Amino acid sequence: QQQVKQSPQSLIVQKGGISIINCAYENTAFDYFPWYQQFPGKGPALLIAIRPDVSEKKEGRFTISFNKSAKQFSLHIMDSQPGDSATYFCAAAYNNNDMRFGAGTRLTVKP
Amino acid sequence: DAGVIQSPRHEVTEMGQEVTLRCKPISGHDYLFWYRQTMMRGLELLIYFNNNVPIDDSGMPEDRFSAKMPNASFSTLKIQPSEPRDSAVYFCASAPFSMSMGNTIYFGEGSWLTVV
Repeated sequence: QQQVKQSPQSLIVQKGGISIINCAYENTAFDYFPWYQQFPGKGPALLIAIRPDVSEKKEGRFTISFNKSAKQFSLHIMDSQPGDSATYFCAAAYNNNDMRFGAGTRLTVKP
Repeated sequence: DAGVIQSPRHEVTEMGQEVTLRCKPISGHDYLFWYRQTMMRGLELLIYFNNNVPIDDSGMPEDRFSAKMPNASFSTLKIQPSEPRDSAVYFCASAPFSMSMGNTIYFGEGSWLTVV
């Protein structure tokens, strides 16, 4: 069922550094690419999302870069903070409903 | 809004017992999803409903699993009989009628199931 491949599995970054998480997909029918953030004991929550007609979307310290031809997209967290420590999931959906998730990246931001 | 409400939050049961997980979606949302999360397989879509009708149950692992949505405000996921490999966090999620940008899946806090 894993149609979205995510890397790395875990990531350790110093406070103030840049966190980069990458995802790749195969199904060209996907037309919606969100990123979710999950804290321990909680459900995933939408962080930021992009559609394939744009190459980049920025919201505060979070940026999605999208490469349609390579079928890849990535999340960049600028000025990473300890409060950003969480598990991040990329996802891809088509028909706006059937959403498939990557395996997740556990991010630790060290003070 | 209270968000997606799931119960129980935690359940420990013995192998062979029936397990019923419950979900109340966000009012007005037409789509309801059941996901399972494990360390090995990550987040897996089990089944989703549109207007109480099951649309895709291809992710349901086997006949021991069943899901129902008798009305717009309630859904159940049942495992009978349960097995240790069913131990996971089960998430219910809902989405509005139109998943355009900014509208997306809203997850509950999950039901943590342990089968011993």
